[in-house]
Amino acid sequence: AQSVSQHNHHVILSEAASLELGCNYSYGGTVNLFWYVQYPGQHLQLLLKYFSGDPLVKGIKGFEAEFIKSKFSFNLRKPSVQWSDTAEYFCAGGMGTYKYIFGTGTRLKVLA
Amino acid sequence: NAGVTQTPKFQVLKTGQSMTLQCAQDMNHNSMYWYRQDPGMGLRLIYYSASEGTTDKGEVPNGYNVSRLNKREFSLRLESAAPSQTSVYFCASRHPGGYGYTFGSGTRLTVV
Repeated sequence: AQSVSQHNHHVILSEAASLELGCNYSYGGTVNLFWYVQYPGQHLQLLLKYFSGDPLVKGIKGFEAEFIKSKFSFNLRKPSVQWSDTAEYFCAGGMGTYKYIFGTGTRLKVLA
Repeated sequence: NAGVTQTPKFQVLKTGQSMTLQCAQDMNHNSMYWYRQDPGMGLRLIYYSASEGTTDKGEVPNGYNVSRLNKREFSLRLESAAPSQTSVYFCASRHPGGYGYTFGSGTRLTVV
């Protein structure tokens, strides 16, 4: 069955620390992958997306993600986090179908 | 601003009551979705509508019905609310070509 897994459920970092959130997917073919962010009390917003081409994808607010096909991974990274990055982050994926599957989310808390 | 509008934002129901959650998008998207978000479980798809006139079940459809009223509007109905339906509900529409979703601001529903 198709699935998206996020193994880090809670992450706590100090400001200026580097961030990497893991995401693994189970699709075997061409896949569309996304990272969404949900700030406290708000709806989900798209951070970045991957369809094809350059496996290193840059998104908004200094975030980037790398698609590694051999590892079925699409990890989210940011070199230096800020307090304002405190949020919940969701990885999602689909194979060009109408439905995307979401991971269970990672809650990031950045300490000032 | 273009986007997805959900109403109401908050609702408290008694067990057995019914209600309809409204969703409208003004981006001329074909596909629309209803998700529920529960702590530690990410987003789970309730129903979706690939295009006007069609609806399909997602992962957790039991206890819900939907109506795709026209291209803009996609409503979710709880016929007889149960405490297990306490959740945050998000409506989304899908950008053409699979360029991710735009989400509404959510409805926080409590069933007592």
